[in-house]
Amino acid sequence: QVQLQESGPGLVKPSETLSLTCTVSGGTIRSHNWSWFRQSPGKGLEWIGYITKTGNTNHNPALQSRVSISMDTAKNEVSLRLTSVTAADTALYYCASQVVLFGVIDSWGQGTLVTVS
Amino acid sequence: AIELTQSPSSLSGSVGDRVTITCRASQGIGSALAWYQRRPGKGPMVLIYDASTLNGGVRSRFSGSGSGTDFTLTISSLRPEDFGTYYCQQFNSYPLTFGGGTKVEIK
Repeated sequence: QVQLQESGPGLVKPSETLSLTCTVSGGTIRSHNWSWFRQSPGKGLEWIGYITKTGNTNHNPALQSRVSISMDTAKNEVSLRLTSVTAADTALYYCASQVVLFGVIDSWGQGTLVTVS
Repeated sequence: AIELTQSPSSLSGSVGDRVTITCRASQGIGSALAWYQRRPGKGPMVLIYDASTLNGGVRSRFSGSGSGTDFTLTISSLRPEDFGTYYCQQFNSYPLTFGGGTKVEIK
């Protein structure tokens, strides 16, 4: 089972871009599909988007076109960018892996808190 | 998007209690449902997938059942380490969606 660790700034200003990195150990990022999730205070878990092992991406329509997910195979990292953030984007952000896209999420990072203020 | 309605939102049980959490989907999802436990400061951990398959390493006191729109997670005998928040999640279609969570406290 792979291990995941999210990292990035804990504080982002409104209208700026949120950038997070997920460092993967115990496996190669080419072996899994990768998703980002978040949970805002008092709200439920929300799927943000995914990137497949072959580099295809998809994102939650609720986030419109603010989401960008990429991977760096040399660093074994997956990245999330969320543009034009507002206070509503304050949340605990998780990266996670799936062996198959329409399958269980088999590994999660511990999450990183991002505050927009 | 498929909505998942989870109940109860919280419960408090004693060691040894049998606990049941339900999850109802807004449309049929077959068996494409998973259950996760999340403890404070940690990411979710999968307990059950495909509605009733116990994930490797998960204690057998956990079980899942159901298909279509109605699902259940059962803890047959509550243990102190079972505290946390439990979530159901569907992977039948995107966007992936989750139930609102059930916070389990140990008396």
